[in-house]
Amino acid sequence: DVKVTQSSRYLVKRTGEKVFLECVQDMDHENMFWYRQDPGLGLRLIYFSYDVKMKEKGDIPEGYSVSREKKERFSLILESASTNQTSMYLCASTSGAFDTEAFFGQGTRLTVV
Amino acid sequence: TQLLEQSPQFLSIQEGENLTVYCNSSSVFSSLQWYRQEPGEGPVLLVTVVTGGEVKKLKRLTFQFGDARKDSSLHITAAQPGDTGLYLCAGLGLNEKLTFGTGTRLTIIP
Repeated sequence: DVKVTQSSRYLVKRTGEKVFLECVQDMDHENMFWYRQDPGLGLRLIYFSYDVKMKEKGDIPEGYSVSREKKERFSLILESASTNQTSMYLCASTSGAFDTEAFFGQGTRLTVV
Repeated sequence: TQLLEQSPQFLSIQEGENLTVYCNSSSVFSSLQWYRQEPGEGPVLLVTVVTGGEVKKLKRLTFQFGDARKDSSLHITAAQPGDTGLYLCAGLGLNEKLTFGTGTRLTIIP
């Protein structure tokens, strides 16, 4: 059974803290993505990676950074958490084929207080 | 930025009625996908359409990709309560960037 696993379902952090969200996939997928989901805005792409140590900015990268040291792991970093980063964060992976399916983790609901 | 606008944002209809959800963009995509998301879960793929003008059917769901590969629609016939959920379209760009739409929250009333 294919799987994308996010390290936490729920997180509560204080303003100014450095926050790490971890995502691991076991499908040997080339591409990995971080999205945030807010009501009425759908899923907005923060960053994606198409290879180890490679990353591309998505549509809303400000305030975030990412790390992909190994193919199976993609980390999202909030350097200094702010209340407007309170959201649901979803990690996904794809194989890279043009008709590829995206497999998602169950999401991390982050609250910044 | 490749934007995908979905309409309507919310839709609440009676069981047995038909409905159509639209997904529109000014950008061309390699392929377009539709996902459904249940509360507390990540989105799950329903279908992928690749060719302009392509129509795919999945039981009572019909998906169409626009001729110019910029837009898509999802039509549900005789909606049932089990169809309730958040429907998301997603376009795959040439750089393998997967962009999601704004979502349509569908509620089917028994």
